[in-house]
Amino acid sequence: DTGVSQNPRHKITKRGQNVTFRCDPISEHNRLYWYRQTLGQGPEFLTYFQNEAQLEKSRLLSDRFSAERPKGSFSTLEIQRTEQGDSAMYLCASSQTTEAFFGQGTRLTVV
Amino acid sequence: QQQVKQSPQSLIVQKGGIPIINCAYENTAFDYFPWYQQFPGKGPALLIAIRPDVSEKKEGRFTISFNKSAKQFSLHIMDSQPGDSATYFCAVTTTGGSEKLVFGKGTKLTVNP
Repeated sequence: DTGVSQNPRHKITKRGQNVTFRCDPISEHNRLYWYRQTLGQGPEFLTYFQNEAQLEKSRLLSDRFSAERPKGSFSTLEIQRTEQGDSAMYLCASSQTTEAFFGQGTRLTVV
Repeated sequence: QQQVKQSPQSLIVQKGGIPIINCAYENTAFDYFPWYQQFPGKGPALLIAIRPDVSEKKEGRFTISFNKSAKQFSLHIMDSQPGDSATYFCAVTTTGGSEKLVFGKGTKLTVNP
């Protein structure tokens, strides 16, 4: 299967801990996006990479959040000093043209 | 300010019915309008999308109707099946830049057998 892959699928962490999520996009896709989805809401844009360059960040992406895409391949999203409000589904999407394809997401629960 | 308004929030139909989900937007710069289907615990899956140069697009049982002057678009599901029970999201974007998607709040569709 050559879809967007995200790991881990679920993560439970204690408040104040750091967490890191990984996204492997569809191999030929040069665009990669992170979104956050809370219960009962649509996904909200967090950040965008074209190849290895991070070109856009949402105001939702506080200083505790950082994303990287070394060598324009996989991407990581790190949340430092997690808070209960960070509990959400974190979705990665990739695209080559305008059609964006999403991964299964990482469900984060901060306790 | 909500950039795309989706309605209804939930919808229940009988098998074979034609549920219709509506979305409205304000920014005329938006020029790509996809619909996504999401099952619980899964990521959104692209269903069908339309650009403003056409008023209707069909793919299988799914149809998008687009009204550029009214800044509205809708999803119709023909001959709905219980397996179509999911949450549906409309989205909008402007092509040529980041093409980040702005999503509606979703419609939870239940198709009863």
